[in-house]
Amino acid sequence: DAGVTQSPTHLIKTRGQQVTLRCSPKSGHDTVSWYQQALGQGPQFIFQYYEEEERQRGNFPDRFSGHQFPNYSSELNVNALLLGDSALYLCASSLYLRQGANYGYTFGSGTRLTVV
Amino acid sequence: GQQVMQIPQYQHVQEGEDFTTYCNSSTTLSNIQWYKQRPGGHPVFLIQLVKSGEVKKQKRLTFQFGEAKKNSSLHITATQTTDVGTYFCAGGGTSYGKLTFGQGTILTVHP
Repeated sequence: DAGVTQSPTHLIKTRGQQVTLRCSPKSGHDTVSWYQQALGQGPQFIFQYYEEEERQRGNFPDRFSGHQFPNYSSELNVNALLLGDSALYLCASSLYLRQGANYGYTFGSGTRLTVV
Repeated sequence: GQQVMQIPQYQHVQEGEDFTTYCNSSTTLSNIQWYKQRPGGHPVFLIQLVKSGEVKKQKRLTFQFGEAKKNSSLHITATQTTDVGTYFCAGGGTSYGKLTFGQGTILTVHP
């Protein structure tokens, strides 16, 4: 049973550059959410994708964008990188339920992004 | 916007002692979830609570959801060194999927 797979595991970028992070959800899951976790903090919600559309978005600027593919995998793109974007980026997959009931996310191991 | 506060930030216990972490939301939650993150790892889902006043147990772990659905607690009985990690609560609001995480409680267990 494949869990959530993220790539790359580590990345170092220079300020102003652009980065793309990738995520394959757990088998059977159709929804992908992205979270940013700064050191010593709880994960912060970036956005969620279902049926290839962004369904919800957190308080992140437009520099953060994403995409979901027909096979449910997803990408997170960040443009014009800032030093403050350095963090662990977590992908979480789940099943989308229309009645508002949540079930626990399965998180990937994350991509550690360092902006220098 | 919705805020979730968690206390304490740190907790150091001797192995065998009990541990409790508390979570409070600024708004009524549709559900609350708890996650554990080991050092250098990623959050791992522990449990979800949905009903007002709900109590669930997993071996030595007891989870409670407040009557007003704005607070929750996690209690670990007789801690073990394997319990080390950061425990996060995460509140679900009216919009499906978005979870607001607390800042976590870092648990250290001394053998």
